[in-house]
Amino acid sequence: AQSVTQPDIHITVSEGASLELRCNYSYGATPYLFWYVQSPGQGLQLLLKYFSGDTLVQGIKGFEAEFKRSQSSFNLRKPSVHWSDAAEYFCAVGSSGSSYKLIFGSGTRLLVRP
Amino acid sequence: SAVISQKPSRDICQRGTSLTIQCQVDSQVTMMFWYRQQPGQSLTLIATANQGSEATYESGFVIDKFPISRPNLTFSTLTVSNMSPEDSSIYLCSVGASQGPLQETQYFGPGTRLLVL
Repeated sequence: AQSVTQPDIHITVSEGASLELRCNYSYGATPYLFWYVQSPGQGLQLLLKYFSGDTLVQGIKGFEAEFKRSQSSFNLRKPSVHWSDAAEYFCAVGSSGSSYKLIFGSGTRLLVRP
Repeated sequence: SAVISQKPSRDICQRGTSLTIQCQVDSQVTMMFWYRQQPGQSLTLIATANQGSEATYESGFVIDKFPISRPNLTFSTLTVSNMSPEDSSIYLCSVGASQGPLQETQYFGPGTRLLVL
């Protein structure tokens, strides 16, 4: 069965520092992978997605993620964090075929120190 | 991407009552989904709602508790029936990308924050 693991419940970084949020997945075939961000009191916004091709994908707000098949990982990175990046980040894996379901990780809450 | 709205944005309800949540999209979409996000938790898929067919429910969710309607390609409702405090959650609808090979991409509405007393 598909599953997604985000091992870090909370991460605190200083403003201007680099960021990496971890995501590991379990899926039998080539997965469709997503990162979403949820700001306090808001819905989910799609940051980026990976379907195939270049394993380094660029997203909105300066985020990027790298798909590593050998490690079953899809880690999210940003070179310089802004205070407005403080939010909850969710990694998700999607299935192909007729169901189009998304399985979400438990989320990582990012705190940004001034 | 589609613009998705939900009504109500939040509500406080008494146990034993029911609440119907509306999801409106600004374009026609085939796939619509309803998720629940319990306090401090991740998202769990309740059901998939496709126009012209019965909703498909995930394990642990039943139609009597969460009836869903999908009357057309831009609208869906989720009803939370006979509510208890355990139903206090954020309920989110999402839609699949309307066409092409990226239909697996889902876009989310702002959510409905429900508190059951």
